[in-house]
Amino acid sequence: GAVVSQHPSRVICKSGTSVKIECRSLDFQATTMFWYRQFPKQSLMLMATSNEGSKATYEQGVEKDKFLINHASLTLSTLTVTSAHPEDSSFYICSAPDGTSGRYEQFFGPGTRLTVL
Amino acid sequence: AQSVTQLGSHVSVSEGALVLLRCNYSSSVPPYLFWYVQYPNQGLQLLLKYTTGATLVKGINGFEAEFKKSETSFHLTKPSAHMSDAAEYFCAVSEVPGTYKYIFGTGTRLKVLA
Repeated sequence: GAVVSQHPSRVICKSGTSVKIECRSLDFQATTMFWYRQFPKQSLMLMATSNEGSKATYEQGVEKDKFLINHASLTLSTLTVTSAHPEDSSFYICSAPDGTSGRYEQFFGPGTRLTVL
Repeated sequence: AQSVTQLGSHVSVSEGALVLLRCNYSSSVPPYLFWYVQYPNQGLQLLLKYTTGATLVKGINGFEAEFKKSETSFHLTKPSAHMSDAAEYFCAVSEVPGTYKYIFGTGTRLKVLA
């Protein structure tokens, strides 16, 4: 149980286009999901907390108009990178806690590799 | 505020040797601590966690970690390294339960030598 999926796993786009990444909790409901960004050989940096039915909470330094987050249902959060540029190329990972399990842990998606040309 | 320090961005061990990956944390509240492993181009997989109770925690793949409050440490160990253990390892601390917000260490890349 407690599986989180991401789609797509890999995307290549041209500079200036927008890219949508989906994060789904497959077998549990998640009122909260987290979006991370990971540069090569670096740690995960929390970008934002996605809240079902309300606005996302962004970490300091993260442009909310650049990285649009929508948590439309209890099993789906989307991250849209708007007007992507090469510096947005990165590995994006989402996670969700299964609050009902009592296990106090997040479950991570497999990640999405974004390459902006 | 919480923070996590992983000493040694790269660790190399011989196959069959002891693995020791260091993690120190700072937290103003009783911490919840985690170790995750990441293989190339993949997400994170939980190795083990400490929330409350026994301070020596056993995880998957033969890994274990001990929570030492006096040393503010949560070092990860494995008695005998296997080639398949080569990966990136992240230590994380969470804020007060209910937020599930993690702070990650910078990671340690483990290399296992034949």
